Amino acid sequence: AQSVTQPDIHITVSEGASLELRCNYSYGATPYLFWYVQSPGQGLQLLLKYFSGDTLVQGIKGFEAEFKRSQSSFNLRKPSVHWSDAAEYFCAVGAPFGEGAQKLVFGQGTRLTINP
Amino acid sequence: DTGVSQNPRHKITKRGQNVTFRCDPISEHNRLYWYRQTLGQGPEFLTYFQNEAQLEKSRLLSDRFSAERPKGSFSTLEIQRTEQGDSAMYLCASSFSRGTTYEQYFGPGTRLTVT
Repeated sequence: AQSVTQPDIHITVSEGASLELRCNYSYGATPYLFWYVQSPGQGLQLLLKYFSGDTLVQGIKGFEAEFKRSQSSFNLRKPSVHWSDAAEYFCAVGAPFGEGAQKLVFGQGTRLTINP
Repeated sequence: DTGVSQNPRHKITKRGQNVTFRCDPISEHNRLYWYRQTLGQGPEFLTYFQNEAQLEKSRLLSDRFSAERPKGSFSTLEIQRTEQGDSAMYLCASSFSRGTTYEQYFGPGTRLTVT
């Protein structure tokens, strides 16, 4: 069965510092991978996705992620964080159930706090 | 494009009561998903519709839960005889079925509190 592990429950970084959020997945075939962000009391917003091709993918808000098959990882990075990046970040893997549809299997999430 | 909308945003109910939530997907999306998110956890899949057909259900979806999507447009999720363990955020998402697009767009969720 598919699973996602986000090892860091809570990360604190200073504004302007670089950020890396870790994500490891378990899936037998080539995975569809996603990063979502959730602000307090809100739904999830898609940051970026990986389906195939270039293993370094660019997303919105200056985020990028790198797919490493050998490490079963899909870590999220940002070179310089802004106070508005404080939120909960979720990594997810797509688990297909036919006809092109799939459910998302999410990790536990990483809460990001930004120090001024 | 108004995005996925969900109503109500918050619901407080007493144990044993029935509740119903509504989700309106993005208008051209024919796939609709329900997820449940408890405090400190990532969302968990509940069920999936393609048009009006309910094609997948999680084991999390007990007999007290029922979902519908009449006419393949909006969807409702009903919980009968609510229990305190049902307290959670219920998220709806929608997506296209054309091509290889697998992106799911989420609504703001309905937060359920069972007292």
